[in-house]
Amino acid sequence: GQNIDQPTEMTATEGAIVQINCTYQTSGFNGLFWYQQHAGEAPTFLSYNVLDGLEEKGRFSSFLSRSKGYSYLLLKELQMKDSASYLCAVIDSNYQLIWGAGTKLIIKP
Amino acid sequence: DVKVTQSSRYLVKRTGEKVFLECVQDMDHENMFWYRQDPGLGLRLIYFSYDVKMKEKGDIPEGYSVSREKKERFSLILESASTNQTSMYLCASLKAGGEVETQYFGPGTRLLVL
Repeated sequence: GQNIDQPTEMTATEGAIVQINCTYQTSGFNGLFWYQQHAGEAPTFLSYNVLDGLEEKGRFSSFLSRSKGYSYLLLKELQMKDSASYLCAVIDSNYQLIWGAGTKLIIKP
Repeated sequence: DVKVTQSSRYLVKRTGEKVFLECVQDMDHENMFWYRQDPGLGLRLIYFSYDVKMKEKGDIPEGYSVSREKKERFSLILESASTNQTSMYLCASLKAGGEVETQYFGPGTRLLVL
């Protein structure tokens, strides 16, 4: 079966750095997304990786290793507004999006 | 900016009622999707559509049907609502092709079935 694993919840301190991991086992791979979802709101796009390596976008970076079936989202200089759920999703060989359950990130002052 | 709208943010229905959830996108996207999101389960695909009058079952189509009569509108229908269909329903829109495919989500409809 297809599976995406993320930690259920993480806690970090304002101003710090946090890394949210995602591992996947899917039938084929055509890219990996990270989405941010604030409570009660729709997910919003953060990043897309299809090749190995690190993609940096401001305070947020996303890393992919296809051989390891692994990705992480790195958030720097954490702000209170970064408190949200972070969803990992993989496009499989049929171009279907397979979603992880999401990681709830709690930022403390 | 892509705009995806859903007809209701919150909805309360009784068991056995027929429920319509409407989704409209304004960017001429070919692909539209209906998901439900439940705590600890992530997003699960109910139905999707690649074109007008076309529909494909997702992972959990049972108890649902869809309609795509116009390109911009994708409706989700609960023929006879049940309490286990209480959930957050998210509609998404996607342009076919392009360098980076991203789904644009509507604000969601939180449905409570009593």
